[in-house]
Amino acid sequence: KAGVTQTPRYLIKTRGQQVTLSCSPISGHRSVSWYQQTPGQGLQFLFEYFSETQRNKGNFPGRFSGRQFSNSRSEMNVSTLELGDSALYLCASSSSTGSSYEQYFGPGTRLTVT
Amino acid sequence: GIQVEQSPPDLILQEGANSTLRCNFSDSVNNLQWFHQNPWGQLINLFYIPSGTKQNGRLSATTVATERYSLLYISSSQTTDSGVYFCAVFSGGYNKLIFGAGTRLAVHP
Repeated sequence: KAGVTQTPRYLIKTRGQQVTLSCSPISGHRSVSWYQQTPGQGLQFLFEYFSETQRNKGNFPGRFSGRQFSNSRSEMNVSTLELGDSALYLCASSSSTGSSYEQYFGPGTRLTVT
Repeated sequence: GIQVEQSPPDLILQEGANSTLRCNFSDSVNNLQWFHQNPWGQLINLFYIPSGTKQNGRLSATTVATERYSLLYISSSQTTDSGVYFCAVFSGGYNKLIFGAGTRLAVHP
């Protein structure tokens, strides 16, 4: 089975711009979660989608949003970029079936805001 | 919310040495995972271990959920083991992982 894929892998944007990141989960997985990793804050949960519905949201401003499509692929969008949004953005997928909720991560998108 | 603490924060080893990484969590959890973050940033799954003991080659892990801790053992360490090791727990419902700050491991030849 192919793993979780994320595109693009690297991105450079300017303050005030917006950006869209994409995540394709492992085939058959219906849950996709997003995380932000920064040197100062570590790994923090952004939100989770399951069957096109946002089930959980972390403590991030409304500039961070996401969605999930019927094929389980997910996108996250950050509007009005700030320097502090520079980070590694990771997505994870999970089958969320039975008693197993093991999450598998993609390679990440490294966003630099200048 | 739940707190996850990892120790030690940094660890330096000579190749061939053994080590134990610890993860303490402040509340009961449904599940727990250990990850290794490679130099390119990807999180590699090591163990999915809500309780009990598992082994995979030179690595093993034990979670004692009733006492709210988990241990990751690395035996006969190799330079390729270098990187950051994260413990993460599921908090509340659905798939929300709470991560510890990580243990940065450096293995020297």
